[in-house]
Amino acid sequence: KAGVTQTPRYLIKTRGQQVTLSCSPISGHRSVSWYQQTPGQGLQFLFEYFSETQRNKGNFPGRFSGRQFSNSRSEMNVSTLELGDSALYLCASSLSQGSTDTQYFGPGTRLTVL
Amino acid sequence: GQNIDQPTEMTATEGAIVQINCTYQTSGFNGLFWYQQHAGEAPTFLSYNVLDGLEEKGRFSSFLSRSKGYSYLLLKELQMKDSASYLCAVMGRNTDKLIFGTGTRLQVFP
Repeated sequence: KAGVTQTPRYLIKTRGQQVTLSCSPISGHRSVSWYQQTPGQGLQFLFEYFSETQRNKGNFPGRFSGRQFSNSRSEMNVSTLELGDSALYLCASSLSQGSTDTQYFGPGTRLTVL
Repeated sequence: GQNIDQPTEMTATEGAIVQINCTYQTSGFNGLFWYQQHAGEAPTFLSYNVLDGLEEKGRFSSFLSRSKGYSYLLLKELQMKDSASYLCAVMGRNTDKLIFGTGTRLQVFP
């Protein structure tokens, strides 16, 4: 069974631009969570989607948004990029929503904002 | 509030045993996870504890004490490939989301 895939793997943008990242969960997994990882803050929860609905949201500004499609694939969007948005963005999938099901992580998208 | 603490860095010698501690304060508790993350790679699942006690899985064991808000990950017979960051994460009962600690970077020396 294929793992979680994320595209693109690397991205360079400039301040003010917007970016869309994509995540395809493990087949059969319906929950997708997004995290931002920076050296100083560690893994910070962004949001979780289940059945095309956002179920949980972390403490990030409204510039960060996401959605989930009927095939469970998910996208996250960051608008008006800031230098501080440079980070590794990880998505994780699990069988169901917010339970103790193990989350499996994708390889991440490394975003650099110049 | 929610808070998870773990040491920032640890070093150990190949073949030795190392214990990585994690303390947490969360709104409710629905389980604690340990993940391993090699530099430049995604976190990979190591263990899950929801009841008090020790869970053993090969060279790795994880312990939980809910009354003390405390867990540890025990790595035995250390190998060079165990050099990685180890992330402690808690699932809060009321939040249904994983809260991660900042991770412990373990370096194993020959």
